[in-house]
Amino acid sequence: DQQVKQNSPSLSVQEGRISILNCDYTNSMFDYFLWYKKYPAEGPTFLISISSIKDKNEDGRFTVFLNKSAKHLSLHIVPSQPGDSAVYFCAARISNFGNEKLTFGTGTRLTIIP
Amino acid sequence: DTGVSQDPRHKITKRGQNVTFRCDPISEHNRLYWYRQTLGQGPEFLTYFQNEAQLEKSRLLSDRFSAERPKGSFSTLEIQRTEQGDSAMYLCASSYSGDRLEQYFGPGTRLTVT
Repeated sequence: DQQVKQNSPSLSVQEGRISILNCDYTNSMFDYFLWYKKYPAEGPTFLISISSIKDKNEDGRFTVFLNKSAKHLSLHIVPSQPGDSAVYFCAARISNFGNEKLTFGTGTRLTIIP
Repeated sequence: DTGVSQDPRHKITKRGQNVTFRCDPISEHNRLYWYRQTLGQGPEFLTYFQNEAQLEKSRLLSDRFSAERPKGSFSTLEIQRTEQGDSAMYLCASSYSGDRLEQYFGPGTRLTVT
């Protein structure tokens, strides 16, 4: 059962435009969400996160939006740059002061077109 | 501190052989996680340590897999009698059980079982 879903395996965006990556989840117990970026032959790199008590978190060019009622979150990158080309993973977890294992989606490959 | 490190980065082994991977977490991090990633999938949780105690194991972790974290520092993941289905990227992540909630990943060990 895929609890975190990224339904778009790939996305191409022109340099300078906005990239929007989407993620849906099914487990209402998730209370913290993270986005990771992964280059080939490297481990995932933490990008930005959001707690379920918020609906938006912004860090420079990156903004994450959370819609709890729809169990949906999105990552906005603006403006998109060639270095943003990577695979982006959405992850979620349940905070329990112990094992806070992450449940990942299958990833979206973002390609920025110069 | 340069982040989470893993060794080796690549391992090719024949079916039936045993392999061992090492992870060195960020020094002040007391939580350590192992994940496995196969092609086209996101990382999947395998096991979790808080300090030296292994507190949870996924059902993905068959009895051929064993993990240790002596003295709460580095960790090892051993796979005995490897099978072709064990071919994957094995990722280690660490985090601190304080205010910072993000997990930081190492570069991974890519295992190929022939």
